[in-house]
Amino acid sequence: QSALTQPPSASGSPGQSVTISCSGTSSDVGGYDYVSWYQHHPGKAPKLMIYEVSKRPSGVPDRFSGSKSGNTASLTVSGLQADDEADYYCGSYGGSNNFVFGGGTKLTVL
Amino acid sequence: QVQLQESGPGLVKPSETLSLTCSVFGGSVTSGSYYWSWIRQPPGKGLEWIGYISNQGSTSYISSLKSRVSISGDASKMQFYLKLTSVTAADTAVYYCARGNSERCLDYWGQGTLVTVSS
Repeated sequence: QSALTQPPSASGSPGQSVTISCSGTSSDVGGYDYVSWYQHHPGKAPKLMIYEVSKRPSGVPDRFSGSKSGNTASLTVSGLQADDEADYYCGSYGGSNNFVFGGGTKLTVL
Repeated sequence: QVQLQESGPGLVKPSETLSLTCSVFGGSVTSGSYYWSWIRQPPGKGLEWIGYISNQGSTSYISSLKSRVSISGDASKMQFYLKLTSVTAADTAVYYCARGNSERCLDYWGQGTLVTVSS
């Protein structure tokens, strides 16, 4: 159960788009369409932004989108806003009733 | 709207047992296909999934903690619990409880509680 691999940081200017990658293996990301993404403002509860690779929970803006190719999933944030500045974590079902997170990516809005 | 709230001691001595409670409000812990989960975040590090207890009482734990961790629940109190034995400084973290669902994601989270392991 190794952590999924995310870049430690990403950045973009307001209005721009940024994509965060999440690399795993065929035992987790590549093996199931159960990739999720979480937004975490320090000191607050993490918030589910994407589930089942590309689905958005009610209330999450369509500026947030997810995709997957092979063992790598991606989160794209379009039309960056100041409030998007946060830590983002991917997560994946890892088989055998296990779950694994990525190491997290700090998104900075310049 | 489902809400979760963690509670428990903020300071635990090395070699002792860390015990936390997660109280669930606005939902049922017995209906549906849910996985009542614990996650932790050591200072300056990322999230780590610890494990869960399902509505049916089955449990699953991360392999690195399996020998020290147990998760249980009390449906009548709308609570579930985390116990971690023989703690060390490496177990210092913010501990979150969350609800997992059949889409294998964590849709509701508590605010987290900081547990420090120190003498």
